[in-house]
Amino acid sequence: DAGVIQSPRHEVTEMGQEVTLRCKPISGHNSLFWYRQTMMRGLELLIYFNNNVPIDDSGMPEDRFSAKMPNASFSTLKIQPSEPRDSAVYFCASSLAGGNEQFFGPGTRLTVL
Amino acid sequence: DAKTTQPPSMDCAEGRAANLPCNHSTISGNEYVYWYRQIHSQGPQYIIHGLKNNETNEMASLIITEDRKSSTLILPHATLRDTAVYYCIVRAYLISNFGNEKLTFGTGTRLTIIP
Repeated sequence: DAGVIQSPRHEVTEMGQEVTLRCKPISGHNSLFWYRQTMMRGLELLIYFNNNVPIDDSGMPEDRFSAKMPNASFSTLKIQPSEPRDSAVYFCASSLAGGNEQFFGPGTRLTVL
Repeated sequence: DAKTTQPPSMDCAEGRAANLPCNHSTISGNEYVYWYRQIHSQGPQYIIHGLKNNETNEMASLIITEDRKSSTLILPHATLRDTAVYYCIVRAYLISNFGNEKLTFGTGTRLTIIP
């Protein structure tokens, strides 16, 4: 298995632009997680899905952030409009529902100028 | 979920055992201890987890005190590739597929393996 796949690996954009991050979980996994990592705040959970349904979005910072999971093999995290403070590494992870191990992707490094 | 306390950094000589401590004095009876690590520029990686018995796998051993208020992750023969940030996390046991699967990462311990 290729593991969790994220794209793009790097994204540089200007303030105000829309940004879409993509994630393909490991086949057969039915839980998917989006995390954000910054130097100031560390690694934070933004939202997670179980069987394509959002279970906990309490970590989503504000309305500019939205996440979708239209099917079991694809999820997006969208930021509109983007701001410089959104600059971070965004990780996607997947697991079997209730599983003990979350498998993380390589991350997307986002820079908003 | 209970909070954890870890030293911010540690050094260990290559080939020696690395012992990483974690305090979780407010842990509840239904909470497990999980360890993840994050090698520079990579996503976190699961290492091991346990409830109250000591656990061992191909990567590490986990020693949990009898009162469960603290634990130690042991890397038996540290190599340079073990240089990473190690996170100790406490999470409730999931009794169904729809429990709270959140992992709350703290600041972790930055382990440096010295050649």
